[in-house]
Amino acid sequence: EAGVAQSPRYKIIEKRQSVAFWCNPISGHATLYWYQQILGQGPKLLIQFQNNGVVDDSQLPKDRFSAERLKGVDSTLKIQPAKLEDSAVYLCASSPIGGGQYFGPGTRLLVL
Amino acid sequence: QQPVQSPQAVILREGEDAVINCSSSKALYSVHWYRQKHGEAPVFLMILLKGGEQKGHEKISASFNEKKQQSSLYLTASQLSYSGTYFCGTSKGIGNTPLVFGKGTRLSVIA
Repeated sequence: EAGVAQSPRYKIIEKRQSVAFWCNPISGHATLYWYQQILGQGPKLLIQFQNNGVVDDSQLPKDRFSAERLKGVDSTLKIQPAKLEDSAVYLCASSPIGGGQYFGPGTRLLVL
Repeated sequence: QQPVQSPQAVILREGEDAVINCSSSKALYSVHWYRQKHGEAPVFLMILLKGGEQKGHEKISASFNEKKQQSSLYLTASQLSYSGTYFCGTSKGIGNTPLVFGKGTRLSVIA
C-alpha cells in the first residue's frame, strides 16, 4: 500500500514570497492533517479535514496560511506571504476512522 | 493543552528497559504514541483508548490511566533501532478528533 505522498521535499524562499505544498493521502483515508514541526518540538496541528470539510483550523494563521482539499482526496497548503518564523517542516498525515495517523515524508521549508 | 512528557531525554544500553510518561491536565479520550527518527516523519506506534489499552508491538507496550490522565510507554529489552524521539498525542473526543502532541522524549540506545 502506498504511503502519504508530499511534494516538494525541500523549498527555500525569501520572506514575503509565497509557497505551496501538496499532499496525497493514503487511499481510503477520509481524514487529512497538516502539521507544522519546528526543530526540537512536537508536531503542531494547522488544519484537519474530514473528507473535504474542515474539522479544526483553530491554529492556522489565516492571514497568511490557507489550505484546501478538493474532492476529499489531495490537499494543498499555501503560505502567502512567508515570514522567517515559518521555517519548519510541514507534515501531512492521513488516518482511517478511529485509527492512528500516517505521516508523509514532509516538506522542509527555509525562509531567508 | 499540550501534554507533558517525561523524561525529556534518556540514554540506554542495549537490552535495558525504559518508561516514558505522558500527562495531561485535561480529561482524555485517547492517547497516541509515535516515534520519530532524525530527519524522518513520525511513525505511528499505537493508540490507547479510554476504557481499554492496545498493544501495538511485541516489546513496546503502553498503559492508560484515565483517572490520572496519564499514559506510559514501556520499551523492553531495548534495541539500537529504538533510538529516536517519542511523542505522545492526546485527544479529548471520540473518533478522529484533533491531537495535541507533547514536546517529545529523546531516547538513545547505545551498544
